[in-house]
Amino acid sequence: SAVISQKPSRDICQRGTSLTIQCQVDSQVTMMFWYRQQPGQSLTLIATANQGSEATYESGFVIDKFPISRPNLTFSTLTVSNMSPEDSSIYLCSVDQGAGFGEQFFGPGTRLTVL
Amino acid sequence: AQKITQTQPGMFVQEKEAVTLDCTYDTSDQSYGLFWYKQPSSGEMIFLIYQGSYDEQNATEGRYSLNFQKARKSANLVISASQLGDSAMYFCAMREGPTGFQKLVFGTGTRLLVSP
Repeated sequence: SAVISQKPSRDICQRGTSLTIQCQVDSQVTMMFWYRQQPGQSLTLIATANQGSEATYESGFVIDKFPISRPNLTFSTLTVSNMSPEDSSIYLCSVDQGAGFGEQFFGPGTRLTVL
Repeated sequence: AQKITQTQPGMFVQEKEAVTLDCTYDTSDQSYGLFWYKQPSSGEMIFLIYQGSYDEQNATEGRYSLNFQKARKSANLVISASQLGDSAMYFCAMREGPTGFQKLVFGTGTRLLVSP
């Protein structure tokens, strides 16, 4: 399975600021996904990121709040913009390597606290 | 309507015992996939086991097996011979449609605590 890293692993931010989370994969993958996990909750898909095209956002998530870049097949970034305490969550990226049955492999996550 | 339902917020089991974590799903697709993930307190998501809708045999991976009852739309995870390291959150997830970069929908999770 792919090895996925995320930076930063955790951060504490002030409201109104923005944070960019990086996701790096050790192999080329077509599909990358960004999830949010609010405290004590399940995972919710924010968007699907394809290389070379606009990200596809799920209902309730908008590009202005969560802009995503996907410059190549091994890297993506998610920015959490104009943060509020409600954005305090774990943000996880995942990949579908396309060689199995649709299982996704996840990065270690970024724990974000907004004060 | 919830696509994935996990009705057990928490489960307790003694070390070396078996435990079943429940998962029911809702879909009108004929082709779909069901997954179980483990999330330790560290936060990472670890893929455990997969069951395809057309698979006739229940999936097994080491101490993990999936009790797949298609007519009842259930896909329960069975962990045999529980170990202390099995203490974690467990999420059931579903992929609707055939394999091909489809998104996963997750249930609310079950917290498993294994006691000595």
